[in-house]
Amino acid sequence: DAKTTQPNSMESNEEEPVHLPCNHSTISGTDYIHWYRQLPSQGPEYVIHGLTSNVNNRMASLAIAEDRKSSTLILHRATLRDAAVYYCILRNSGGSNYKLTFGKGTLLTVNP
Amino acid sequence: GAVVSQHPSWVICKSGTSVKIECRSLDFQATTMFWYRQFPKQSLMLMATSNEGSKATYEQGVEKDKFLINHASLTLSTLTVTSAHPEDSSFYICSPLAPRVENEQYFGPGTRLTVT
Repeated sequence: DAKTTQPNSMESNEEEPVHLPCNHSTISGTDYIHWYRQLPSQGPEYVIHGLTSNVNNRMASLAIAEDRKSSTLILHRATLRDAAVYYCILRNSGGSNYKLTFGKGTLLTVNP
Repeated sequence: GAVVSQHPSWVICKSGTSVKIECRSLDFQATTMFWYRQFPKQSLMLMATSNEGSKATYEQGVEKDKFLINHASLTLSTLTVTSAHPEDSSFYICSPLAPRVENEQYFGPGTRLTVT
């Protein structure tokens, strides 16, 4: 599985933007970049995903580097409910192995 | 709304007994179901992949005779922890494979198992 690297933890203040980085230098052409988050004692929740172009949805934005070797999840205005572990995962769509392999993720703390 | 349900949400059992966890895909038919477990302060670890109508594929180090997986239908998969021991205490999460793998993956809310 292609590997991703994320900071162990980040801190933000409420109502400020948060930029969560992810490095994936070994990404292949058929790998999608997925982001999930997990609140305490809950299953992971889908946040956003993309292939090459930047993506926006109601939860966040995903900025993908031109060479696709890194990406950044952007929370435009952090709230206390955004405090969670954020996982950046590569998922290959070209073969038959569709499983999602979770790394350690980034623990986001949001200060009031 | 929720597209994946798990039952029970938490369970306490005695050592040596078996526990069954159900996972239902509510919005779509899932030919494949992933089962994960998560120990405290750790990340999710994939245990096995079940396919409707065939045997599950287990990840290295996961005992297939201890963690029995049944993919009974396209909307129901079960994980049975047999002869549970305290070290099996964990958070178990299921995740049905979406119809299009390019799409997002959904996860169940998890089942907290405590073995005493």
